[in-house]
Amino acid sequence: AQKITQTQPGMFVQEKEAVTLDCTYDTSDPSYGLFWYKQPSSGEMIFLIYQGSYDQQNATEGRYSLNFQKARKSANLVISASQLGDSAMYFCAMEDTGNQFYFGTGTSLTVIP
Amino acid sequence: DVKVTQSSRYLVKRTGEKVFLECVQDMDHENMFWYRQDPGLGLRLIYFSYDVKMKEKGDIPEGYSVSREKKERFSLILESASTNQTSMYLCASSPAGLGEYNEQFFGPGTRLTVL
Repeated sequence: AQKITQTQPGMFVQEKEAVTLDCTYDTSDPSYGLFWYKQPSSGEMIFLIYQGSYDQQNATEGRYSLNFQKARKSANLVISASQLGDSAMYFCAMEDTGNQFYFGTGTSLTVIP
Repeated sequence: DVKVTQSSRYLVKRTGEKVFLECVQDMDHENMFWYRQDPGLGLRLIYFSYDVKMKEKGDIPEGYSVSREKKERFSLILESASTNQTSMYLCASSPAGLGEYNEQFFGPGTRLTVL
């Protein structure tokens, strides 16, 4: 069963605008972690942001924030003030209590000048 | 500052060959993972290991095996390479436990082509 769903294969955003990348997850565990990774064309996977299932507040890291809605099982990534360097693939992932990670199929973001 | 290394960035093999992909991490992590990444399919877990000599099957273990004789090294083995194993292979490691610092660290990837 698919654990992580990213429904947007591709997204476009104007430079300096904000963009939201969607992610929903499926688990019955009370404890889990949610991650977002960025993969530029160079292929490296870059960790962006983490949200724990018990965290009360949404995680933020610079221009990245995670809109965590636990009841809806969603963990959307919000990128504010988009930059050209934000053009990349973005993957949502969930870690379960067995330390296994589940990745979504990714969203390709293109920032338009 | 290198944390996770993979033995090759690009590899070309022939059908039927035995292929070894090596991964080494220097962060003393307990967990190590092998994924393959294909367009439109994201990252799919092949195998993971949570300790030396321990291994668990992921979502797509068929046609692969793994070896972890030392904590820092996790090898992926294609017993008899086939063309449908042409892919990008990513190795990752993470510490044990669940929490904020459990991000996976990824290697640069190996792009394998099987002819």
